[in-house]
Order: sequence, then structure tokens, then C-alpha cells
Amino acid sequence: QKEVEQDPGPLSVPEGAIVSLNCTYSNSAFQYFMWYRQYSRKGPELLMYTYSSGNKEDGRFTAQVDKSSKYISLFIRDSQPSDSATYLCAMSVRDSSYKLIFGSGTRLLVRP
Amino acid sequence: EPEVTQTPSHQVTQMGQEVILRCVPISNHLYFYWYRQILGQKVEFLVSFYNNEISEKSEIFDDQFSVERPDGSNFTLKIRSTKLEDSAMYFCASSTIGQRPEKLFFGSGTQLSVL
Repeated sequence: QKEVEQDPGPLSVPEGAIVSLNCTYSNSAFQYFMWYRQYSRKGPELLMYTYSSGNKEDGRFTAQVDKSSKYISLFIRDSQPSDSATYLCAMSVRDSSYKLIFGSGTRLLVRP
Repeated sequence: EPEVTQTPSHQVTQMGQEVILRCVPISNHLYFYWYRQILGQKVEFLVSFYNNEISEKSEIFDDQFSVERPDGSNFTLKIRSTKLEDSAMYFCASSTIGQRPEKLFFGSGTQLSVL
């Protein structure tokens, strides 16, 4: 079983739609959960992070963690064409929190 | 906004040659990292560097790889004798101190092509 699994997409939605992106993981030692956005020919950019089960909201973005199910989600409300990018989930353990284990990324396309 | 700068954006080399990938981290950051992404695969951790020494490295980071902070601003990754399988996008990242988890700022990457 892979440590972090993420559907590669692509996911195509109309502008204004609510987008749901998900990852599952197998390592119960993961303590930190992050979402990165990567535009074409750019490096990953941190969107959100959380370290506990539950929801965390930042503007149009909501990160959700369910440690009991080993499942994390990122919701994007009122999606915009500028949200079109690859979204990477990443996780790390407490003692090496900089050593990120990435998912394969989901490519999102928001159609005007 | 401060950013991590990587040069060159694309490097082509012959198998067996040495390459040096360069990075200028954000100026007040103290932790530095290299990650890589082989085409079609996940971004994966290579090495972390703090206080002029390697703090952690992955199994990928064998004796062919080395890192250095030659001066106060640059951070380099050297591959001594490149192999075909070293072809990948190499990302440099940096973070400040005192945060958990560390917030990593990534550069735009150097695409290394080994022929």
C-alpha cells in the first residue's frame, strides 16, 4: 500500500463550482497535513496546513482531516479559472516535519 | 514577496558529467532542502541542511550527491557523475526556524536532463 494516495485527475469543473480534492494515507505517524498548489513550470506553493482532525478554513479554502479514516480533503468554494493548477497533498511526521511525503497531485481545470 | 531563486531553469548534461544546481534561499531562512520530481512521479525529499551540515538525507541521496552553502546566500546541489535516472526537476526550498511544521518555500526548479 502506498503511503499517500491521490487521484491524479484531471478534474474539470465550471467556474463557481465547489471543488473537492482528497488524499488517503496509510502511515498513522503522520501528524502534519498540508496542501500545496503547483502552477505549470513553478514550484509547489503552500496553501494550507493542519495538524489535527477537523476543519480549517482560509478564505475560499477549507482543509479537512479525518485521522480515524486516514483521509484528508481540500474544498475550494466559488472556484475561479485562476485556481486551475495541480494540487498536491503532503504529510509529515512530528520529528521530521520538513520531510514532506507528497501525493501524486490532482490536476484541476476550472472552465470560465 | 521574498522568493527562492534557482538557476539554471534547465540544464542538459551528458551521462557521467558533474552538475551543480544553484539556489538562493530566502534571506532570513536557516533551513534548506532539496527535493526532486521525476517526470510522472511524486515530489520526493532528498536532503535537509542546517547550520552548515546535513541534518537528514533520503536513501536517494547517495555518495554521488553533495550539498554546500559556499557563501552567505547560495545553496548548491552537486551530482558528481550523472546517470540517466538523475533526470528530474530539482526543487530547492527553505524555511525559517521556530515553526512546526516548517513552512517550506519552494523555488521554481531546475529541470535536469541527462543524455
